[in-house]
Amino acid sequence: GDSVTQMEGPVTLSEEACLTINCTYTATGYPSLFWYVQYPGEGLQLLLKATKADDKGSNKGFEATYRKETTSFHLEKGSVQVSDSAVYFCALTENRYSGGYQKVTFGTGTKLQVIP
Amino acid sequence: ETGVTQTPRHLVMGMTNKKSLKCEQHLGHNAMYWYKQSAKKPLELMFVYNFKEQTENNSVPSRFSPECPNSSHLFLHLHTLQPEDSALYLCASSPTDRGGSPLHFGNGTRLTVT
Repeated sequence: GDSVTQMEGPVTLSEEACLTINCTYTATGYPSLFWYVQYPGEGLQLLLKATKADDKGSNKGFEATYRKETTSFHLEKGSVQVSDSAVYFCALTENRYSGGYQKVTFGTGTKLQVIP
Repeated sequence: ETGVTQTPRHLVMGMTNKKSLKCEQHLGHNAMYWYKQSAKKPLELMFVYNFKEQTENNSVPSRFSPECPNSSHLFLHLHTLQPEDSALYLCASSPTDRGGSPLHFGNGTRLTVT
């Protein structure tokens, strides 16, 4: 079956440091890839997505590139802020129609703490 | 405003109580989901409804009973819960007409079973 592996946390960075959170996946088909973010006390929200190989998703200064050859979708940001402190989830869903709902495979989440 | 609203935000209940969680979405989606999020565990998919029909039940104990009266509303009825059921319960919705779409989540109900 499909699976998503992301780096264990927590990750602690100083403000303005560079961030990389690694994510690799296995999938039988050609999935869409996502990063979700969960701020304290909230649900998950979509941060960015990419639907095919070599696509780059970007939002709020975060970027991730769909690398089919390495089956990876690493999340990067050049300069983190305290407000980026949250839990980040890598996820995939198959692009083929799956009977009316999205079969999503989530990673275990990586907690990021940014200190001033 | 997330587009998916869950109530209540917090719930404390005894093991013999009966309570219900409510989820409402006005995004025009036809699939709705219940997830359980426990500390140090991956997100667990509990139930999926597609056009009001239950299409997924991931071996969830019968003390959890979902209800989907229409495509905009989803309930999770709780009775005789156990302390290990304490968790954040997340509702989500998505379109059904194409694969590869993201889920839209509510802010969750933090449940504590005493």
